[in-house]
Amino acid sequence: AQSVTQLGSHVSVSEGALVLLRCNYSSSVPPYLFWYVQYPNQGLQLLLKYTTGATLVKGINGFEAEFKKSETSFHLTKPSAHMSDAAEYFCAVSTHNSGGSNYKLTFGKGTLLTVNP
Amino acid sequence: EPEVTQTPSHQVTQMGQEVILRCVPISNHLYFYWYRQILGQKVEFLVSFYNNEISEKSEIFDDQFSVERPDGSNFTLKIRSTKLEDSAMYFCASRQVTGNQPQHFGDGTRLSIL
Repeated sequence: AQSVTQLGSHVSVSEGALVLLRCNYSSSVPPYLFWYVQYPNQGLQLLLKYTTGATLVKGINGFEAEFKKSETSFHLTKPSAHMSDAAEYFCAVSTHNSGGSNYKLTFGKGTLLTVNP
Repeated sequence: EPEVTQTPSHQVTQMGQEVILRCVPISNHLYFYWYRQILGQKVEFLVSFYNNEISEKSEIFDDQFSVERPDGSNFTLKIRSTKLEDSAMYFCASRQVTGNQPQHFGDGTRLSIL
C-alpha cells in the first residue's frame, strides 16, 4: 500500500520569500510522484512529476522538487513566492507495479499556501 | 491545450435520488478515473476504467456507484440512491496509456445532498 504525508496543513510566507512544502511518501515499489495545485473553485493542475531519471525536477511557475529516496521525500520549493502562488498544493504518489497498469493516485491531505504582501 | 471537462459544476439533489455526473476526458486518453474530496479531507480514489471495464475500485465504490462510457466521448459516474455522506467534490481524470504520464483533472462537480 502507498501513502503520502504532507507536513503542515497551512504554510504562510511573505512575497519574495522561499516556499518549501514538505511531502513524504510510503511505497512498496519505486514510486511515481506528483505535485498538483488547486486554485479556488478549480480542478487539480499538474505542477511537476518525477518518474525516473534526474531526481531534481522542474515544473511550471518556477516550482521544483527533489526526489530523495533515502528520505522518502519529495519536497516542493520555489525560490521566491509570488502572490499568485496562493493556492492549495497536493502531493501524490502512484505505483507502477507489474500486477496492474492502473496507476491510481494516492494524495496527501494538501497544504494551503498563503502569500503575504 | 486539451482539457477534461465536467458537468454540471454544482449539483444539488435530494437524499435517495439518483445522480449522474458527467465527464469528457481528453480525446486521446484511454484511462479514466473518478476521485472525490469531502470538504476538509483528502482527495480519494474511487474507480479507474480502461478498455470499457473497471480496472480497480476502492472500498468507497460500493453497489450504489457505477461508471459508464456510453459513447466515444463521455465518461459518467452514477450514484443510484444518494446519501448525505455522498456530498463532496467529484473529480474526473484521464491519462494516456503510458504509465508514467500524469493524470489530467477536470474542475470537478460539487455534489450537495439535502
